[in-house]
Amino acid sequence: DIQMTQSPSSLSASVGDRVTITCRASQGISNYLAWYQQKPGKVPKLLIYAASTLQSGVPSRFTGSGSGTDFTLTISSLQPEDVAAYYCQKYNSVPWTFGQGTKVEIK
Amino acid sequence: EVQLVESGGGLVQPGGSLRLSCAASGFTFRTYAMTWVRQAPGKGLEWVSSMSGSGGSTFYADSVKGRFTISRDNSKNTLYLQMNSLRGEDTAVYYCAKDRVEGGWYYFDYWGRGTLVTVSS
Repeated sequence: DIQMTQSPSSLSASVGDRVTITCRASQGISNYLAWYQQKPGKVPKLLIYAASTLQSGVPSRFTGSGSGTDFTLTISSLQPEDVAAYYCQKYNSVPWTFGQGTKVEIK
Repeated sequence: EVQLVESGGGLVQPGGSLRLSCAASGFTFRTYAMTWVRQAPGKGLEWVSSMSGSGGSTFYADSVKGRFTISRDNSKNTLYLQMNSLRGEDTAVYYCAKDRVEGGWYYFDYWGRGTLVTVSS
């Protein structure tokens, strides 16, 4: 099975900072990658699909990039409401594996 | 408005069984693949099982294969997860999730609020 590895597992940044989260697949998955945000005590929310397509209603400060095995989620200017765990998920083939998550906090 | 409402969770002893349900509304249920995802307390998301819109294709994580069975009743707009031979490591919040697009792409734009399953003696 293809493994999905996110880094870092957690980060702390200041409001307004640029934040980058990495997701690496153990084998190529083309662009079949989604990103989710899960705020504390809330349900996961789809942010990005097809590696770089922003889901409707998601702020433009979120961007996704990558293809093959290496992907990134970037928050261009971190806001207090972005405190959350972020997960990548591959969907090229079964199993639809999630990364282990990255917790983003405000410094 | 899309709504997914899970039910059926609770406390069960190891080796026991539970049946989860997910009542869907606000979209044409039969044309969308549906999925169960779980989250153990304080842990990340784990894909559990998926079913195509017609019910003709089913998929399971290795961790639940042979113990869990996914099904759906398109006449009732309801997704199910029959969980047998439950173990402590099955303790989690179980979410029902809807595919973003028709045809079975298996990434998810709507999630229910989840139902908690606790396996303990």
